Amino acid sequence: QLVESGGGVVQPGRSLRLSCAASGFTFSTYAMSWVRQAPGKGLECVALLWSDGSERFYAESVKGRFTVSRDNLKNTLFLQMHSLRVEDTAVYYCARDAYAYDVWGQGTLVTVSS
Amino acid sequence: QSALAQPPSVSGTPGQRVTISCSGSTSNIGSNTVNWFQQFPGAAPKPLIHGNHVRSPGVSDRFSGSKSGTSASLAISGLQSEDEGDYYCSAWDDSLEGPVFGGGTRLTVL
Repeated sequence: QLVESGGGVVQPGRSLRLSCAASGFTFSTYAMSWVRQAPGKGLECVALLWSDGSERFYAESVKGRFTVSRDNLKNTLFLQMHSLRVEDTAVYYCARDAYAYDVWGQGTLVTVSS
Repeated sequence: QSALAQPPSVSGTPGQRVTISCSGSTSNIGSNTVNWFQQFPGAAPKPLIHGNHVRSPGVSDRFSGSKSGTSASLAISGLQSEDEGDYYCSAWDDSLEGPVFGGGTRLTVL
């Protein structure tokens, strides 16, 4: 199971940190992803972190502003978001794996608005 | 614009068979496996197919996936009203060194 938290309403230019608490599987052995969905739009993987934290992937749209990290002892995935833009408004999902996305959280809504 | 191209919408009548296409390139579908997801309004995506054709646990055998070259397809047979929703394909992209999704296809059961 994956449970996201940390979403909310934030002004442009501000920061927000999302968390994803994992349970029911060996978190430390899986790559983990953040996938977002803007209102009425499709899915976009914005960040991916491999199981040992050695490698990361970021979508061009968030590169340099978002940072993905994990705490394998606390079974938690994080997404630190800086310099937020209106176009970052979306539901952010935490998903297991880098390929099959076989487990998803319920999502947390981030709204960037002045 | 999404890296993988899907038709915006498809429709069918109950009992009919429909297919949803997903077109990519040699750097994604042509080199890697394809996954499919189903999403209903207000809900998280649900995995349907991984590894081109392997159904996820609990998924009806009315759903099947295939891949040929740089394109993939999701077929739904015996269409039911509860199949109405959005469907997305995804694949790893070797050039981007990351995953890419299709833009999604809205399935309407008439």
